[in-house]
Amino acid sequence: QKEVEQDPGPLSVPEGAIVSLNCTYSNSAFQYFMWYRQYSRKGPELLMYTYSSGNKEDGRFTAQVDKSSKYISLFIRDSQPSDSATYLCAMQAGTALIFGKGTTLSVSS
Amino acid sequence: DTGVSQDPRHKITKRGQNVTFRCDPISEHNRLYWYRQTLGQGPEFLTYFQNEAQLEKSRLLSDRFSAERPKGSFSTLEIQRTEQGDSAMYLCASSSDIHYEQYFGPGTRLTVT
Repeated sequence: QKEVEQDPGPLSVPEGAIVSLNCTYSNSAFQYFMWYRQYSRKGPELLMYTYSSGNKEDGRFTAQVDKSSKYISLFIRDSQPSDSATYLCAMQAGTALIFGKGTTLSVSS
Repeated sequence: DTGVSQDPRHKITKRGQNVTFRCDPISEHNRLYWYRQTLGQGPEFLTYFQNEAQLEKSRLLSDRFSAERPKGSFSTLEIQRTEQGDSAMYLCASSSDIHYEQYFGPGTRLTVT
């Protein structure tokens, strides 16, 4: 079992839909949880950074962490075609970030 | 632009050749990281510098790989005797001592033919 599991998709939604992206993990030492967005052939862009359990909201994005279930989510409201990208979850206990494989999202207009 | 920069953006080389990549972190960040990303996978950690000291190395960093950060500013990653399996995107990230969020550069895409 990999430390971080993420469904690679692809996930296709119409413009304006609410998108839910998820990751599960096995290492209970993870304390920091991140979501990155990566466009094709570009570097990952940090979207959300959370510490421990709870919710964090930033504009159309909401990150949720449930440490008891070892489950994190990213919700995107009012999705736009420009949100079409690969979304990577990442987790951290020490120095290195441990990434999921990424979920490819396509938002059609 | 005050983000992380990497050079070159794309490198094509023949098997057996040596290549070197450069990373310039965000100016106030003294922590620098190298990752490797292959198609369909998330980035994998290679190594970490705090200022000029290389403090962590992944077992992915074989003897053919060497990284330096001579003055605690920019960093270089060299791959000697490249192999086709080295073909990947090499990503650099940086963070500060106070805020641990890692910010990535655009990456260097290496193709070994």
